[in-house]
Amino acid sequence: RKEVEQDPGPFNVPEGATVAFNCTYSNSASQSFFWYRQDCRKEPKLLMSVYSSGNEDGRFTAQLNRASQYISLLIRDSKLSDSATYLCVVTNAGGTSYGKLTFGQGTILTVHP
Amino acid sequence: NAGVMQNPRHLVRRRGQEARLRCSPMKGHSHVYWYRQLPEEGLKFMVYLQKENIIDESGMPKERFSAEFPKEGPSILRIQQVVRGDSAAYFCASSPSLGLIYGAQYFGPGTRLTVL
Repeated sequence: RKEVEQDPGPFNVPEGATVAFNCTYSNSASQSFFWYRQDCRKEPKLLMSVYSSGNEDGRFTAQLNRASQYISLLIRDSKLSDSATYLCVVTNAGGTSYGKLTFGQGTILTVHP
Repeated sequence: NAGVMQNPRHLVRRRGQEARLRCSPMKGHSHVYWYRQLPEEGLKFMVYLQKENIIDESGMPKERFSAEFPKEGPSILRIQQVVRGDSAAYFCASSPSLGLIYGAQYFGPGTRLTVL
């Protein structure tokens, strides 16, 4: 089983749509959670951290359910510029592994006019 | 404040040659990480370094790959006797401290290695 699993998509949505991505992780000791965004042939960029209480940044809302080991990202009012691959990322606890980010496969989003 | 810098951006090597990839972390960052992204695959952790120390190399292939982060100068990822399967994008990331924005890392533009 992969450590971080995402639905690869692709998701094709019209501008203005609301779209939700899900992610599950296997290590219950995972400590921190993030969504990164990666444009084609570019580096990953931090989109937002994910907290148990849920957090919102403009049109983006992230949610963490530790009991279910489940992370979500909701994008409202999609823009053409939201087209990218969205990466679910976790860090695991313990020893020297604090620095290691574990990435999901990514979910491809295409927003069309 | 310049971001993470990597060079070269593109590197072409023939099988059996050596590849050297360089990474300069963001100013003030003392933690460096290397990740590899194979074609059509996700990013995979390779190694985590601090100045003059390898902290976690659990993702490094057992042979031909090595990494260093000397007291002065950039971090280097070295691949000896490259094979076609080494063709990938290699990303470097840095972070200021584990105690700050915990776990968040800032990525460089990557080096795309092509092995002929």
